[in-house]
Amino acid sequence: DIQMTQSPSSLSASVGDRVTITCRASQGISNYLAWYQQKPGKVPKLLIHAASTLQSGVPPRFSGSGSGSDFTLTISRLQPEDFATYFCQNYDSAPWTFGQGTKVEIK
Amino acid sequence: QVQLQESGPGLVKPSETLSLTCTVSGGPVGSFYWSWIRQSPEKGLEWIGYVYYDGSSKYNPSLKSRVTMSVDRPENQISLKLTSVTAADSAVYYCASGSAGGYGYFDYWGQGTLVAVSS
Repeated sequence: DIQMTQSPSSLSASVGDRVTITCRASQGISNYLAWYQQKPGKVPKLLIHAASTLQSGVPPRFSGSGSGSDFTLTISRLQPEDFATYFCQNYDSAPWTFGQGTKVEIK
Repeated sequence: QVQLQESGPGLVKPSETLSLTCTVSGGPVGSFYWSWIRQSPEKGLEWIGYVYYDGSSKYNPSLKSRVTMSVDRPENQISLKLTSVTAADSAVYYCASGSAGGYGYFDYWGQGTLVAVSS
């Protein structure tokens, strides 16, 4: 299985901050990488697929980059509604696997 | 807009079979891949497998020996069966798919159903 490792596991940030979350795959997955946001008690929401393609309706302050085994999710200016847990997901080859999550908390 | 709704028992006894159903509304099950994903504090998000509308499927090797997924096209439903459950199978179970066909990433999710395995 391809292991997905996110860092950091958690971070504290303020509204307006630029936030970067990284995701590393244990082997190359081309650009078959998705990012999700999950708020407590809610369902994961797709933000980005194909490593950098913004899902319809997702604010442009979210962006993704990377290819191969190293990927990044960036929130350019953190908003109050962005405090949540973020997950990356490999869909290059089954079994599709998720990172352990990065919790973004209010500083 | 496609909507998904999981249903099934919230409590299953150890060694028994967990059976869940996902009802699809707003579109047919045809031409889509339908996945089951579970989430627990211990294991995080875990993809269980997918079933295609034609009945073909692919399962996570870690669960393959215990999992069966199927599609009921007339009823617009997808089902999951997981046999010989243990406490480690306690989780929130989601059915999921995607507007691009559901292969790989997911923008359609059910609300999730919590399943506890306990005697």
